[in-house]
Amino acid sequence: DIQMIQSPSSLSASVGDRVTITCQASQDISYYLNWYQQKPGKAPKLLIYDASNLETGVPSRFRGSGFGTHFTFTISSLQPEDIATYYCQPYDNLFGQGTRLEIK
Amino acid sequence: QVQLVQSGAEVKKPGSSVKISCKASGGTFRSFIISWVRQAPGQGLEWMGGITPVFETANYTQKFQGRLTITTDESTSTAYMELRSLRSEDTAVYYCARNRGGEPGPAGFDPWGQGTLVTVSS
Repeated sequence: DIQMIQSPSSLSASVGDRVTITCQASQDISYYLNWYQQKPGKAPKLLIYDASNLETGVPSRFRGSGFGTHFTFTISSLQPEDIATYYCQPYDNLFGQGTRLEIK
Repeated sequence: QVQLVQSGAEVKKPGSSVKISCKASGGTFRSFIISWVRQAPGQGLEWMGGITPVFETANYTQKFQGRLTITTDESTSTAYMELRSLRSEDTAVYYCARNRGGEPGPAGFDPWGQGTLVTVSS
C-alpha cells in the first residue's frame, strides 16, 4: 500500500509570510494529488486538484506543485483567514496526516 | 451546483448501529461516486468507503469490512452509510463527499456534506 508523509504536522507563521507544506509518497503517484483546507468545525474544502490545478474560486495565493513522489503546497502571503488544517490526498482512499497552520 | 445535506447528530450505545443519510441536489446523482470520510475528535481524515449509484457497487476500506454498508436510493438522490457494532472509538464526525474522479473533468472530493456527529457512549 502507498504511504504518504505530510510535513510539518504543525506550523506557526506571521501574516504575509510564505508558507510551504510538503507531501512525500512512498511510490510514484504521477500528478494524482489533491489539497484540502479544513477550518475548525467545518467540512474540508478542496483547494487544489491534480497537484497544481486551482479549484474555481480559490485565491491565487494558494499554489500546488510536484509530480511523482514529492509535492508542495504553498501560500504565497499568509492571511488571517488561512488559519486551518491542510491535508493532502494522493488517492481517493488516503489522506495525509494534516498540517495545522497557526498565526504567530 | 451540487449540494450534499446530511442527517443530524446521533447518540448511540455501544453495540448498536447508526445509519446516516446524505441527500444530493443538483447534478446527476446516478453518475456520482459518493465517498464517506470520518474524523475522530482532534484527528485527521479517514476514508471509509464509496459507492457509484449507477453500478450499485460499493467498496470499503479493510478496517470496516463486515461492519460498514453504503447504499444509495436513486429515487431520492440519497446515499446512506450504516455502521454496525458501534464502539466508543467510532465516535467521530462522518462526512459524505462527491468524488469527482468518476466524472469527466477535474478530480477531488467536492462538495462535502456538512458532517454528522456520531457519539457512542453507554
